[in-house]
Amino acid sequence: GESVGLHLPTLSVQEGDNSIINCAYSNSASDYFIWYKQESGKGPQFIIDIRSNMDKRQGQRVTVLLNKTVKHLSLQIAATQPGDSAVYFCAENRNYGQNFVFGPGTRLSVLP
Amino acid sequence: EAGVTQSPTHLNKTRGQQATLRCSPISGHTSVYWYQQALGLGLQFLLWYDEGEERNRGNFPPRFSGRQFPNYSSELNVNALELEDSALYLCASSLGDRRYNEQFFGPGTRLTVL
Repeated sequence: GESVGLHLPTLSVQEGDNSIINCAYSNSASDYFIWYKQESGKGPQFIIDIRSNMDKRQGQRVTVLLNKTVKHLSLQIAATQPGDSAVYFCAENRNYGQNFVFGPGTRLSVLP
Repeated sequence: EAGVTQSPTHLNKTRGQQATLRCSPISGHTSVYWYQQALGLGLQFLLWYDEGEERNRGNFPPRFSGRQFPNYSSELNVNALELEDSALYLCASSLGDRRYNEQFFGPGTRLTVL
């Protein structure tokens, strides 16, 4: 079936470097995407969202890029900090109020 | 403002038993979603409730069921527990009347089936 997936299951970056986490989605009808961060023992926490009528959205230290042509989503984290270590999920939503489809997640490890 | 709360934090059961998990949404949110997160896996959609009605369910057997109460809190019931039901069960809530609904998650209930 259709799914949201991630290219890299794990990502290790040096503290202070920029991180890029990628996500591929397969349903061209999806029109709303969210990146979530999940720390150990906690529920997912909203980071940033983007609608399909946009191709870029910026938050505090984070940027989400959406390429609808190739159905690709990415999360960029600037100046990665130890507190950014977590599992990151992309999620797609294609209908009003419908559940999100989550990818398997990427573990980000920040090295000192 | 209080976030999504879930109880209990941990729940230990044996095979064949029944488990009840509870969720209280953020005040003003009418939609509640349940997800299963097995160890090392992503979130799998279980159920969606809005205004007291089940709106959609994921690809899970009928022994997974639930309900939403008039105050919008929700219960997830799992009957005839199996070992593979061991997972973190996450509840999320959202405003039910907006097109782009950010879902806010609770901390989850860790269900262990022995």
